[in-house]
Amino acid sequence: KAGVTQTPRYLIKTRGQQVTLSCSPISGHRSVSWYQQTPGQGLQFLFEYFSETQRNKGNFPGRFSGRQFSNSRSEMNVSTLELGDSALYLCASSLRERRAGELFFGEGSRLTVL
Amino acid sequence: KQEVTQIPAALSVPEGENLVLNCSFTDSAIYNLQWFRQDPGKGLTSLLLIQSSQREQTSGRLNASLDKSSGRSTLYIAASQPGDSATYLCAVNRNNNDMRFGAGTRLTVKP
Repeated sequence: KAGVTQTPRYLIKTRGQQVTLSCSPISGHRSVSWYQQTPGQGLQFLFEYFSETQRNKGNFPGRFSGRQFSNSRSEMNVSTLELGDSALYLCASSLRERRAGELFFGEGSRLTVL
Repeated sequence: KQEVTQIPAALSVPEGENLVLNCSFTDSAIYNLQWFRQDPGKGLTSLLLIQSSQREQTSGRLNASLDKSSGRSTLYIAASQPGDSATYLCAVNRNNNDMRFGAGTRLTVKP
């Protein structure tokens, strides 16, 4: 059974640009959640999508957005990049809603903003 | 506001030792608590999930306890092995669907 796949694994952008990250969940999983991990702030919850609907969102500005497609694949977008957006972005999938059961994480997309 | 604290930040033990990792949280209105491990440069691996109504969960050499009234959870690792070396994170799911992570405990098990 294939795990959670995140693409791209590494990317470099400059300030002001925008970026789109992709997450393919485990087959049959309906929930995809996104997280930001930085040395300073640690791991923070961004948002969760379940059956194409955003279920909840963490405390992040509107520059961070996402969506989920009918096949459960999800994308997150960050517009007008800032230096502080440099981080490892992780996604996780689960059969039911995020907090109800086991989360399966991808290996992350490492974003560097110059 | 929910704060999640993990102590110690780092721990080094010889192989075979039993050890305890601590997680404390300030708001007792939690839905559940999860323990994860993270290997360098990797994503998280789910270890144990404890519902708010439960006191402990066990999986193999791992045992996690939860005391909501005192705002504490512990992860007990028995007979530690070098392969257990990783960063261990606890995460609290609140009743309002918010999720907060601790900063993690970096564990090194020496052969």
